[in-house]
Amino acid sequence: NAGVMQNPRHLVRRRGQEARLRCSPMKGHSHVYWYRQLPEEGLKFMVYLQKENIIDESGMPKERFSAEFPKEGPSILRIQQVVRGDSAAYFCASWRDLPGLADNEQFFGPGTRLTVL
Amino acid sequence: GQQLNQSPQSMFIQEGEDVSMNCTSSSIFNTWLWYKQDPGEGPVLLIALYKAGELTSNGRLTAQFGITRKDSFLNISASIPSDVGIYFCAGHGGATNKLIFGTGTLLAVQP
Repeated sequence: NAGVMQNPRHLVRRRGQEARLRCSPMKGHSHVYWYRQLPEEGLKFMVYLQKENIIDESGMPKERFSAEFPKEGPSILRIQQVVRGDSAAYFCASWRDLPGLADNEQFFGPGTRLTVL
Repeated sequence: GQQLNQSPQSMFIQEGEDVSMNCTSSSIFNTWLWYKQDPGEGPVLLIALYKAGELTSNGRLTAQFGITRKDSFLNISASIPSDVGIYFCAGHGGATNKLIFGTGTLLAVQP
């Protein structure tokens, strides 16, 4: 049973370029969360999506950041016109929303480490 | 907003020692989770707590959900070198099940 997959694992961009981060949830999971982790800090929630819907984007910066989770294919976090402050590790977590089950928690991918030069 | 404070920030111990770390919140959480993060990897769920007062074990790990629902602790007994990593507490924040993470405890184990 494959876990959460993220690619690329490492991404280097120059200021002003676009970054596209992909997340494939675990099989059977239709909910995806994106979190950002700055060096030596905890993870901070960004956005929560179900298939084709954004449910909660209260943690997303108002500009340059967007996320989608299409009916087919992975969830994508897009950062336009990246700046040095966007350098961080970006994690996605998947969840299947079945209350009462022992594994009804979020499972995290290995992350994408974005470096902006 | 909701915040989780973890202590200690870091611990440097000898192999075989027991470890204890805790997490406190200014507001109530209905679920407490403990994750471990290895360098360059994502967090891995260790223990989930769902009821106030609940005490749960997973091998050498034991965690408790405080009665006030504003705190939790994690104990690791007889530490081994592979316990090295950063330990995060987390709670579910709001109706959308997003996780609020603590500030983390860095654990280093000397063989």
